[in-house]
Amino acid sequence: GAGVSQSPRYKVAKRGQDVALRCDPISGHVSLFWYQQALGQGPEFLTYFQNEAQLDKSGLPSDRFFAERPEGSVSTLKIQRTQQEDSAVYLCASSFGQISNQPQHFGDGTRLSIL
Amino acid sequence: AQSVSQHNHHVILSEAASLELGCNYSYGGTVNLFWYVQYPGQHLQLLLKYFSGDPLVKGIKGFEAEFIKSKFSFNLRKPSVQWSDTAEYFCAVTSGGATNKLIFGTGTLLAVQP
Repeated sequence: GAGVSQSPRYKVAKRGQDVALRCDPISGHVSLFWYQQALGQGPEFLTYFQNEAQLDKSGLPSDRFFAERPEGSVSTLKIQRTQQEDSAVYLCASSFGQISNQPQHFGDGTRLSIL
Repeated sequence: AQSVSQHNHHVILSEAASLELGCNYSYGGTVNLFWYVQYPGQHLQLLLKYFSGDPLVKGIKGFEAEFIKSKFSFNLRKPSVQWSDTAEYFCAVTSGGATNKLIFGTGTLLAVQP
């Protein structure tokens, strides 16, 4: 496709369940980012991949959050033992290169609700 | 740590009114600045960006922004808004270093009344 694709669009889970969110970046994009957007807030950085290498995971809020990009294209964000405070929209973005003036292209996000 | 402040959380304007949304950032070094827009039900889209050169940058749909280094500001402007400009607007800065992660403001929700 032409843009960043995320699935599912909506996910409802019970507290304590594990969830997996998928991101399919724009073909050929080297850099991939995950952000978390809470209600009424701007997106906040979670983690960054350059190809398959996870170069920055400083934004992951706890060790329950795990991300991977094994072949340098599709990425998965996994949240284990979900808690209510994990409810948010999770955004994926990709950019062509790894220099700072490359704009990031965003997907529609996955809205996660933890009951 | 870097931060971005957007002073207007909600703005309501009538069509044809002029728009200015404030954005201030806290970082003394070289910055790359962005405005993103999110229309209802759509994903974040790049409106305009500043990397270097002319501090007045023009984006899509008649928007422009001015980088004022001495004020650490990057305000968004449009001379005459339309109903279709109703959206949420986010100012963002890249952090520099190896990651180039975006640091966003909290956003401004703009409602344009016909």
